[in-house]
Amino acid sequence: QQQVKQSPQSLIVQKGGISIINCAYENTAFDYFPWYQQFPGKGPALLIAIRPDVSEKKEGRFTISFNKSAKQFSLHIMDSQPGDSATYFCAAHHGGSQGNLIFGKGTKLSVKP
Amino acid sequence: DAGVIQSPRHEVTEMGQEVTLRCKPISGHDYLFWYRQTMMRGLELLIYFNNNVPIDDSGMPEDRFSAKMPNASFSTLKIQPSEPRDSAVYFCASSAFSRRQPQHFGDGTRLSIL
Repeated sequence: QQQVKQSPQSLIVQKGGISIINCAYENTAFDYFPWYQQFPGKGPALLIAIRPDVSEKKEGRFTISFNKSAKQFSLHIMDSQPGDSATYFCAAHHGGSQGNLIFGKGTKLSVKP
Repeated sequence: DAGVIQSPRHEVTEMGQEVTLRCKPISGHDYLFWYRQTMMRGLELLIYFNNNVPIDDSGMPEDRFSAKMPNASFSTLKIQPSEPRDSAVYFCASSAFSRRQPQHFGDGTRLSIL
């Protein structure tokens, strides 16, 4: 119940295309869902986050879609660029805990020019 | 602004040796997290602190692992004795206040145990 399942494991998209990464969870106590972006040799960095009372959040080319009833959320990267090539992690925060996040296994995105 | 600072960036040592990883969190952050990242298991939370007190160490794999936070600006993760299966990238992260605040990660320590 503490897991966050992320798919796909890897993704190749052409420049200008849409990248879609999906995550699913079981625990309804999760109350905050961030996405992190990680470049090689660097630590993960917060990209965008959403709370379960909102169905969609958009920041520039990045959009999170959230389906509370299905317990699923996804990251959409519009007009994907080679600079977006990185590993993306979804995560969930447990409302009853004091601060830790549960991370998905990550998706390695490659955007081809 | 200085981010989370980890040292060393790379560590190569022989099996059985003691390894000490260091972390300086962002000033003013009162949560500190230690993670381990491997290809097989992804990003795993090892332990986290709130106001220098360990809150949850259930992710620490074995008694060979220990972590301390003697003050608000410094934490260590020790492995003694080290084993080849401990090879991974270890990240430290910090966050302000409490839940739902972004975690700011350091650039990690790449640990190789021969």
